[in-house]
Amino acid sequence: DTGVSQDPRHKITKRGQNVTFRCDPISEHNRLYWYRQTLGQGPEFLTYFQNEAQLEKSRLLSDRFSAERPKGSFSTLEIQRTEQGDSAMYLCASSLAGDTQYFGPGTRLTVL
Amino acid sequence: AQRVTQPEKLLSVFKGAPVELKCNYSYSGSPELFWYVQYSRQRLQLLLRHISRESIKGFTADLNKGETSFHLKKPFAQEEDSAMYYCALRYNTDKLIFGTGTRLQVFP
Repeated sequence: DTGVSQDPRHKITKRGQNVTFRCDPISEHNRLYWYRQTLGQGPEFLTYFQNEAQLEKSRLLSDRFSAERPKGSFSTLEIQRTEQGDSAMYLCASSLAGDTQYFGPGTRLTVL
Repeated sequence: AQRVTQPEKLLSVFKGAPVELKCNYSYSGSPELFWYVQYSRQRLQLLLRHISRESIKGFTADLNKGETSFHLKKPFAQEEDSAMYYCALRYNTDKLIFGTGTRLQVFP
């Protein structure tokens, strides 16, 4: 297991298109988190799962954003009708409950 | 609201000089504080957490509840310490609240 992986690493899309990102956590980790990081800022929490249950969503997560973790393993984050303001690095992390969060390399989204 | 403040965007020192990266937080309860580091072209990784009270790569950080601070210190900086450093807070739920980060540059 090489750690948390994310796919794709880069995504360029046009405004109004839908995009989907995937995160594969460390295999034994039951918690999975999504963060967003914009230039000059630290990561901002979006949502997290324990197994397949989505336990918390940030107010940053508008109706255009949806995240799933259907089998309690990998997770997807979908953004519908992308806007230029959605351009950011999307980070995924995983952990055992209450333990250290391990981050993936991120997916860089550019909305033209 | 819970907040983490890192007042310095950039800290530049020469090799061998002491380093202190500042972190202040706002939270009335008992938070858990972390330092994460991101080296060039690498992913964000945990450097240390206050409950461990350990030294990693020569770095230490002490939680000062009176001053609500968790400053990161190293007595003698090395060039390989050059990176982006983020202070983070965890409370109640499992999410992390990050500061805006400080870029440490260590010159030879």
